[in-house]
Amino acid sequence: EDQVTQSPEALRLQEGESSSLNCSYTVSGLRGLFWYRQDPGKGPEFLFTLYSAGEEKEKERLKATLTKKESFLHITAPKPEDSATYLCAVQVNQAGTALIFGKGTTLSVSS
Amino acid sequence: GAVVSQHPSWVICKSGTSVKIECRSLDFQATTMFWYRQFPKQSLMLMATSNEGSKATYEQGVEKDKFLINHASLTLSTLTVTSAHPEDSSFYICSASEGGSYGYTFGSGTRLTVV
Repeated sequence: EDQVTQSPEALRLQEGESSSLNCSYTVSGLRGLFWYRQDPGKGPEFLFTLYSAGEEKEKERLKATLTKKESFLHITAPKPEDSATYLCAVQVNQAGTALIFGKGTTLSVSS
Repeated sequence: GAVVSQHPSWVICKSGTSVKIECRSLDFQATTMFWYRQFPKQSLMLMATSNEGSKATYEQGVEKDKFLINHASLTLSTLTVTSAHPEDSSFYICSASEGGSYGYTFGSGTRLTVV
């Protein structure tokens, strides 16, 4: 069974304290791995898509990396506005199929 | 970028009544739309997948007669919760895909409360 596991479940950081979120996956055939940000009461907001091991993508203070078994979302010098739930999802087998989501990591950044 | 509009943002209805949620892709044609449900502090759980002009494919455990999905055009899909009960209260989110290697765009979600 295809599975996505995110850790930690919750993370509290001080402003400027860098850290990483983990997304490990066990799937039959990975087509793409997606990272989303979700604020309370809102839909997921797209951050990155990674397609192959070794790929990296950056956006402001965020950097996503991918290996054959897991992905990391690195947050450098976070600010309070980075507080949100970060969701990892995988697309398997064929294009156009639904994403399979992990449970998310809730990040709280205090000033 | 791609935008998906979902309405209403929140709705309160009485037990036994039906509620319709709309999901529109504003600047692209969505060959496939997905409906998710999210409980507090839980992840998104796929309810059904719909392709334009076809019957929706429901996930195991999701009642197709309770959650009616219509995908009549390439820009509009609707989810109707029929005879709603308090246990149907949840956050419903739609997602649209152009297909191929394009990504998935999510709506802003609908908070349904059944009283």
